[in-house]
Amino acid sequence: QVQLVQSGNEMQKPGASVKVSCQASGYTFDTLGIAWVRQAPGQGLEWVGWIAGNTGNAHYSLKFEGRVTMTRDLSTSTAYLELRGLKSDDTAFYYCARENIPRSLDSWGQGTLVTVSS
Amino acid sequence: DIQLTQSPSSLSAFVGDTVTITCQASQAVTHYLNWYQQKPGEAPKLLIYDVSNLDTGVPARFAGSGSGTDFSLTITGLQPEDFATYYCQHCDNLPRFTFGPGTKVDIK
Repeated sequence: QVQLVQSGNEMQKPGASVKVSCQASGYTFDTLGIAWVRQAPGQGLEWVGWIAGNTGNAHYSLKFEGRVTMTRDLSTSTAYLELRGLKSDDTAFYYCARENIPRSLDSWGQGTLVTVSS
Repeated sequence: DIQLTQSPSSLSAFVGDTVTITCQASQAVTHYLNWYQQKPGEAPKLLIYDVSNLDTGVPARFAGSGSGTDFSLTITGLQPEDFATYYCQHCDNLPRFTFGPGTKVDIK
């Protein structure tokens, strides 16, 4: 079955960077994209960006443009989210999710809590 | 960018009730309107894709409908496990994803 397993929770200081991983299994990784979605405590879902499984091309929410980079490693079927210049309001659960046809997110990772605090 | 609004923001209902959640888009969308369920402490789960198609394993008491700018999720015969927060979501061709603010369904 499809599984997305994310790296562990992180605690970072303001201004630092964080890199979250998402290892996929149960399907051919390079045939589908991966989206990243975050959720601040008690808040709704917010799209961060998306990376194509085949080309590695990425599209980011304008809100994060310049601070975010998404990459993937085909050899390990792993997608990565790097967020730089962390601020306290970046504190959130970060989820990876598989983008399936048509444009839905049908499998989700367990979430990685990123806490930004001095 | 398309914006999504949901109403109500929360509702209380009894087990067995039928509830409807609406999602309004700021401009007409032709497809790629999806619905998710999220329970506390869990990742979201896809319920309905492309307006009205149930994802695998989703019970038939869930139904999606709509067109243009107005869409809805109806749950017929609420079950205890249905108390959760529901989000609509749209994706354009870039792809760029947008989520609605969510509707919390709790027990009356």
